Amino acid sequence: GDSVTQMEGPVTLSEEAFLTINCTYTATGYPSLFWYVQYPGEGLQLLLKATKADDKGSNKGFEATYRKETTSFHLEKGSVQVSDSAVYFCALIGGGSNYKLTFGKGTLLTVNP
Amino acid sequence: NAGVTQTPKFQVLKTGQSMTLQCAQDMNHEYMSWYRQDPGMGLRLIHYSVGAGITDQGEVPNGYNVSRSTTEDFPLRLLSAAPSQTSVYFCASSYSPGTSGPKNIQYFGAGTRLSVL
Repeated sequence: GDSVTQMEGPVTLSEEAFLTINCTYTATGYPSLFWYVQYPGEGLQLLLKATKADDKGSNKGFEATYRKETTSFHLEKGSVQVSDSAVYFCALIGGGSNYKLTFGKGTLLTVNP
Repeated sequence: NAGVTQTPKFQVLKTGQSMTLQCAQDMNHEYMSWYRQDPGMGLRLIHYSVGAGITDQGEVPNGYNVSRSTTEDFPLRLLSAAPSQTSVYFCASSYSPGTSGPKNIQYFGAGTRLSVL
């Protein structure tokens, strides 16, 4: 079945540091890939997505590139802010489904001033 | 802009009690689903529905029932609550993408935090 493996953390960075959260996947067919973010006390929000190989999703300074050859979708940001402190989830919808999201376990990011 | 609305936000139950977690969306989405979020486990799919009158089991369906009588509502029922059902529950919805469209974004509610004593 489909699965997502991501860095479990927690990750603690200073403001303006570079962020990478690794994500790799196994999936049937040709999956679509997502990063969701959960701020404290809130539900999940879509951060970015990519639907085909070599696509780069980007939003709020975050980027991730769909790498089919390495089955990866690593999240990066060049300069994190305190307001980026949240839990980040990598997820996919496998090629065999139009709906079912499979999530990684989440990575807690804390950014200190 | 209501989006996906979950009620209640917090609930405490005693073992053996029953309750219904409510989920409503106003975006005319065909697909709705329930997840539970536990520490170190990510989100796991409980039940889902691809339209009114159609439901199916996800990864962890035991102890939960669902029904979908309208497009807007997708309640989750706990018939006899157990401490193992202590969790945060999220409802999500999305459009049906069609045969050639991209995978659609799922919109999440703010969650219901449930404690079973």
